[in-house]
Amino acid sequence: NAGVTQTPKFRVLKTGQSMTLLCAQDMNHEYMYWYRQDPGMGLRLIHYSVGEGTTAKGEVPDGYNVSRLKKQNFLLGLESAAPSQTSVYFCASSYNRDRVISLYEQYFGPGTRLTVT
Amino acid sequence: AQTVTQSQPEMSVQEAETVTLSCTYDTSESDYYLFWYKQPPSRQMILVIRQEAYKQQNATENRFSVNFQKAAKSFSLKISDSQLGDAAMYFCAYRSGGQGGSEKLVFGKGTKLTVNP
Repeated sequence: NAGVTQTPKFRVLKTGQSMTLLCAQDMNHEYMYWYRQDPGMGLRLIHYSVGEGTTAKGEVPDGYNVSRLKKQNFLLGLESAAPSQTSVYFCASSYNRDRVISLYEQYFGPGTRLTVT
Repeated sequence: AQTVTQSQPEMSVQEAETVTLSCTYDTSESDYYLFWYKQPPSRQMILVIRQEAYKQQNATENRFSVNFQKAAKSFSLKISDSQLGDAAMYFCAYRSGGQGGSEKLVFGKGTKLTVNP
């Protein structure tokens, strides 16, 4: 099991450029999440998905879009990057219907460090 | 909306000693879960311990234990026999209870723990 993987691990963008972050999980989880982590701010939820084809806004959704076309993948898009989006982005997943214990835990990917100049 | 507060931005402890990290939260819900996550320099988020609000008994995991005071809305983490590998950022997190929800986590801003040899 690879768990939760994120692509890429690092990226530098110029203001106005676009990019997509890919998150993949192999634990058959129903729920997936995108967080951003800024110094002194902890992790804040950007968007999340409770199933294939569904997405919802989190605490800080502005400037981001997401898609969940396949159960195992959750994409985070930046259409026009801004310096304020410089951050570390974490993907997480949870809830396998066949394993009750997973109701209590989110599994995190290794993070993507994004710098927007 | 729920909030999580970690009032200690930084803490330090001597190797083999005990340290307690503080966390308070604000909620009007009666059913919820609380977590402590560890983030070492590798950035990987690692679940340390979890507590179900309906359980009166404090959770323990080897050298890690919590002091859960539901009425006071306090959830502190005690690390006994501190080791150099315990040095990391520690995040307290809250999740609303009930099955079928999105399992979103609300994080505190974190406490940076330094372990001195």
